[in-house]
Order: sequence, then structure tokens, then C-alpha cells
Amino acid sequence: GEDVEQSLFLSVREGDSSVINCTYTDSSSTYLYWYKQEPGAGLQLLTYIFSNMDMKQDQRLTVLLNKKDKHLSLRIADTQTGDSAIYFCAETDTGRRALTFGSGTRLQVQP
Amino acid sequence: EAGVTQSPTHLIKTSGQQATLRCSPISGHTSVYWYQQALGLGLQFLLWYDEGEERNRGNFPPRFSGRQFPNYSSELNVNALELEDSALYLCASSSTYGEKGEKLFFGSGTQLSVL
Repeated sequence: GEDVEQSLFLSVREGDSSVINCTYTDSSSTYLYWYKQEPGAGLQLLTYIFSNMDMKQDQRLTVLLNKKDKHLSLRIADTQTGDSAIYFCAETDTGRRALTFGSGTRLQVQP
Repeated sequence: EAGVTQSPTHLIKTSGQQATLRCSPISGHTSVYWYQQALGLGLQFLLWYDEGEERNRGNFPPRFSGRQFPNYSSELNVNALELEDSALYLCASSSTYGEKGEKLFFGSGTQLSVL
């Protein structure tokens, strides 16, 4: 079955760049997503990328996709304390099944 | 525009009881997804409804069930509650057959505590 893996924790200093990594197993994954969950809240869609793309940039966020290695990363430039949250990677395919999520990476930003 | 709304925010039950959780999708969205977020386990897919029909189901026992109403709102029912059902239950909605993949929009969840 599909599996999505992420490291559990990342700590960075304010102003530095953060890189959150994700690997997935399903070679038919077509759409890959990054969601953010702040304490006590639901998930907020940050950005997404199609499998035929290598990179997508959206303001401070850069998504890199290595389809050969099934590796996805999210880079947050100039990380702020407000970026502290849990970040989830998710994937799905063109069959429109529900998204499969990773276990989430907790990002801690130190002032 | 109102987002996905879930009720209640918190629910406390005892083992063996039944719980009913409710979700209203974003206006115009016809698909509703339910996920369970147990402590330390990430998001586990429960159920997907689209146009009133159950389209897919995750690896959960039959005591987890639900339905989608004609107005596209949804209920999740959990029968014979067990302690390990304690979790945050998240509802998400999306529009039908989005051309750019399924972008799910989540509610804030219902925190279910089973004592």
C-alpha cells in the first residue's frame, strides 16, 4: 500500500532556512501536497506540486520533487516564529482516492 | 466564505457509548473526507463521501460509519466506543473532480475523549 514518511522533528533559528523532507512509496503518485497544522487547529493547505514538475516556488516556500527517488522537500526561507507548527506531506494519484498523509514533522523555530 | 465547520469541538464519552460527529463542507464542495488523528500516529484516513455515496473507506472496523446528506454535510458515527478511539477527528471537503488534484480544506476537528 501507499506509505509516506517524514522525520518527526526539526529545530531551526529564526531567520534561517528550514528544509522538511518527505519520502513516498507509491510510484503512481501524481499530486503531492504540504499542509501546516498549528496547535489546536485543522490542517491548512500550504502548497502542492504535480509529479511532472521538479520545483515550485511560492513566496518563502520552495517545493522540490525528485520523482526518481520519490523524495519531496519543503524549504521555508527566512523562517519566523509563526512558522512553528506541524508540517504534513501528502500524496494522491489520478484515481481520486483520499490523500495519504505522512506522520508530520514538528518544526520548532527558536528566537 | 465560511470554511469547513465541525461540531462539537470537544466530546467526552465513556467506553461502550456511541459518538456522533458532524461536518459542514465549504459551500459548493460535494466531497467530504474524515480522518482520525490519534496522538503520535499522524492522520489516518477513515471515510470519503461524494455526492451522497461512500466512495472509499480506510482500514477501520465497521463500528466507524457515516453518511452524507443531500446538502453535502456529513456525520461520522462511532459505535461501541473504545479507549483507543480517543483522537482528534478531522473533516475535510473538496470540490468534485478538481482538475488540479484533490485540494482538501480541513475543519478544526472534534476532539473525542473516551474515558
